[in-house]
Amino acid sequence: GAVVSQHPSWVICKSGTSVKIECRSLDFQATTMFWYRQFPKQSLMLMATSNEGSKATYEQGVEKDKFLINHASLTLSTLTVTSAHPEDSSFYICSARLAVNTDTQYFGPGTRLTVL
Amino acid sequence: SQQGEEDPQALSIQEGENATMNCSYKTSINNLQWYRQNSGRGLVHLILIRSNEREKHSGRLRVTLDTSKKSSSLLITASRAADTASYFCATALTGNTPLVFGKGTRLSVIA
Repeated sequence: GAVVSQHPSWVICKSGTSVKIECRSLDFQATTMFWYRQFPKQSLMLMATSNEGSKATYEQGVEKDKFLINHASLTLSTLTVTSAHPEDSSFYICSARLAVNTDTQYFGPGTRLTVL
Repeated sequence: SQQGEEDPQALSIQEGENATMNCSYKTSINNLQWYRQNSGRGLVHLILIRSNEREKHSGRLRVTLDTSKKSSSLLITASRAADTASYFCATALTGNTPLVFGKGTRLSVIA
């Protein structure tokens, strides 16, 4: 099956710094990638939808200036958490879809962010 | 916004017993999917059922879908300790929209 990787798998940073998380589709080209956030013992919440070459669509309540998403190629999307604060500590999971009107989203293994 | 609501929120059973988890959703859907997540790990796709299907099987898993009641159930038969995980349902409104996840059921299978 299709593989999606994330890097880093975990990161610890100081409050006020920015952190970039990469999401790559390893063996397929993803027209659309999605970013989710999961707090401990909670479900996945969709943050944004990212289409290659265009601006991301953010879900209500997600600050686009704080969570910068770039989808510069069909195999790479990045999420940058700017000026991170402890409340941004979470598990960030990306997923990728092969093509329009396909059912399957392939999920990455997640990135655990801890902001001190 | 959350689309699905699972119940129970937590379930504890003995090894060998069956586990049933339910999911309800609010709007029309294109398909519904079930995922498993071990603690602190990524998601594992279990099964996808389309809106025109009523039941699907995969190994020890059985999924039903009742679109009239906007609900689905996941049955795991002959559970094993390794089935201990959180289980989420996720729905897609259309083939183009992202999956929206329910709150999940935490299953504990005691050996």
